Amino acid sequence: GAVVSQHPSRVICKSGTSVKIECRSLDFQATTMFWYRQFPKKSLMLMATSNEGSKATYEQGVEKDKFLINHASLTLSTLTVTSAHPEDSSFYICSAREWGRDGNIQYFGAGTRLSVL
Amino acid sequence: GQNIDQPTEMTATEGAIVQINCTYQTSGFNGLFWYQQHAGEAPTFLSYNVLDGLEEKGRFSSFLSRSKGYSYLLLKELQMKDSASYLCAAGGATNKLIFGTGTLLAVQP
Repeated sequence: GAVVSQHPSRVICKSGTSVKIECRSLDFQATTMFWYRQFPKKSLMLMATSNEGSKATYEQGVEKDKFLINHASLTLSTLTVTSAHPEDSSFYICSAREWGRDGNIQYFGAGTRLSVL
Repeated sequence: GQNIDQPTEMTATEGAIVQINCTYQTSGFNGLFWYQQHAGEAPTFLSYNVLDGLEEKGRFSSFLSRSKGYSYLLLKELQMKDSASYLCAAGGATNKLIFGTGTLLAVQP
């Protein structure tokens, strides 16, 4: 399957700082990437859909000014958690889908565990 | 509305066969996916069904009935390393995936 790289794998930061998470498709071009959030023992909650060259589409209840998404190239999407607070602590996972490959299969990055102190 | 239902937990014995069921309701349908997720890790893709029937991949098989909104994942010759959460996800009309809460499978010796 396709390889998706997500960095960093773990972040510990102070309240009020901003954190950037990168998601890269390594062996394919991803016109669409997705950002999820997962709480312990819960399923993945879609936060936003990131489309290359256009604005991200956010799910209901997700603050677009809080979670900034940029998809500047066909292989890179970034999620910036601005002015992070303890309630933003979570496991953030990105996925990428290649147009025309294997239908609509999404391949996931390894995830980023964010801890805000 | 959109909804995915699957059992919360299951227990099985090493070497045995286990079937994890999933029912779904989506606005539009674009395929049924199964992912495996070990604790603290990201999901890994297992299978994809878009047509009715059984898809077999080694020890794992997945079945789909679109008319019934039903799928199952079949794991044969269970190994201890198969202990994980198994996520059922349905692709809707918008090409997003709607995930179930996952079935935590515990494989016992």
